[in-house]
Amino acid sequence: DAKTTQPNSMESNEEEPVHLPCNHSTISGTDYIHWYRQLPSQGPEYVIHGLTSNVNNRMASLAIAEDRKSSTLILHRATLRDAAVYYCIRTYSGGGADGLTFGKGTHLIIQP
Amino acid sequence: SAVISQKPSRDICQRGTSLTIQCQVDSQVTMMFWYRQQPGQSLTLIATANQGSEATYESGFVIDKFPISRPNLTFSTLTVSNMSPEDSSIYLCSVTDRVPPYEQYFGPGTRLTVT
Repeated sequence: DAKTTQPNSMESNEEEPVHLPCNHSTISGTDYIHWYRQLPSQGPEYVIHGLTSNVNNRMASLAIAEDRKSSTLILHRATLRDAAVYYCIRTYSGGGADGLTFGKGTHLIIQP
Repeated sequence: SAVISQKPSRDICQRGTSLTIQCQVDSQVTMMFWYRQQPGQSLTLIATANQGSEATYESGFVIDKFPISRPNLTFSTLTVSNMSPEDSSIYLCSVTDRVPPYEQYFGPGTRLTVT
């Protein structure tokens, strides 16, 4: 059980912002929200994570709802290289490192 | 961060045979994980490879089918035993940071085709 819900696919145009939603309505107070992405023929790579506050890094921004039941990954200016499957994953922070439970993710298509 | 390499990158094997996949990390890590990604699917955790102890397997995966070794803090192997076409998948290893939020770093994967 991935415990997160994402749209199967989304399409956007190059150089436009992309908002990828994720629902995690059963999240507990100690769960982090992680985003990974998997480019074609590669292993997943870390994108961003958050707990309660919105987060920014060089790759993306993460907007977390006030009740933490949903979040949105924001790519500010999509490029063709951002075409990938994006996974929203809950991780439990209190018990140490565990393997990740991947859902189906969102297949992001970028049109030139 | 960590840099992970896997060998082989791909292989084509006959049913009934076994293949051992190697995972090498450029730094010492406590936790290593093995995942399977079947064609067109997401990743599924097979097991956690612990140094100095038996691997911990997820539901649906057993040691006889997927024996794992973890001889030191930088290396692990996964063997896919008595292969059938259903074992055709990409097999990936990953490692994790020691501190929260335990970001994971993945290897490039081994693409296995069983004929």
